Amino acid sequence: DIQMTQSPSSLSASVGDRVTITCRASQAISSYVNWYQQDPGKAPKVLIYAASNLQSGVPSRFSGSGYGTDFTLTISSLQPEDSATFYCQQSYTTPWTFGQGTKVEIK
Amino acid sequence: QVQLQQSGPGLVKPSQTLSLTCAISGDSVSSNSAAWSWIRQSPSRGLEWLGRTYFRSKWHYDYAVSVKSRVTINPDTSKNQFSLQLNSVTPDDTAVYYCARVRGGGFGNLFYYFDYWGQGTLVTVSS
Repeated sequence: DIQMTQSPSSLSASVGDRVTITCRASQAISSYVNWYQQDPGKAPKVLIYAASNLQSGVPSRFSGSGYGTDFTLTISSLQPEDSATFYCQQSYTTPWTFGQGTKVEIK
Repeated sequence: QVQLQQSGPGLVKPSQTLSLTCAISGDSVSSNSAAWSWIRQSPSRGLEWLGRTYFRSKWHYDYAVSVKSRVTINPDTSKNQFSLQLNSVTPDDTAVYYCARVRGGGFGNLFYYFDYWGQGTLVTVSS
């Protein structure tokens, strides 16, 4: 199985800060990475698919980049409603696997 | 608007079968451009994809190796829903279970992602 390793596991930042979360795949997976946001008690919600494509309806402060093994989710200006846990997920091959999550807190 | 509505028991005894159903509105389980998956989440395992079913001239099934010997995902075209059955459960199967739609995007629509999710069902395995 392809392992997805996220860092950091948690972070605390202020409203308006630029936030970056990284995800490393255990093997090269082209651009087959998606990013999700999960609020407590809710199902995950897709933000970015195919590494850099913004899902319809998602605010433009979210962006994704990367190729091969290293990927990044960036929040350009952190908002209070971004307090959540973020996950990367690979769809290069089944079993599709997720990172362990990054919890973002607002200072 | 696609909606996925989950149903099923929240408590299952060890060695018994976990059964959940996901009713689809706004799309068809027989769609040629979607797949239907089950995913679970627990503190020990994180988010774990369990399997999928999809229709492309015939039904296809794909399961995670970790549960392959115990899991079945079945479409029900008459009710436009799909189900999860997990046999011989143990306390380690305690988790929140989600159903989700899989769509393709990006170049050639070959980049798959989960775009709609059910509300989640906490299933506890305990006697």
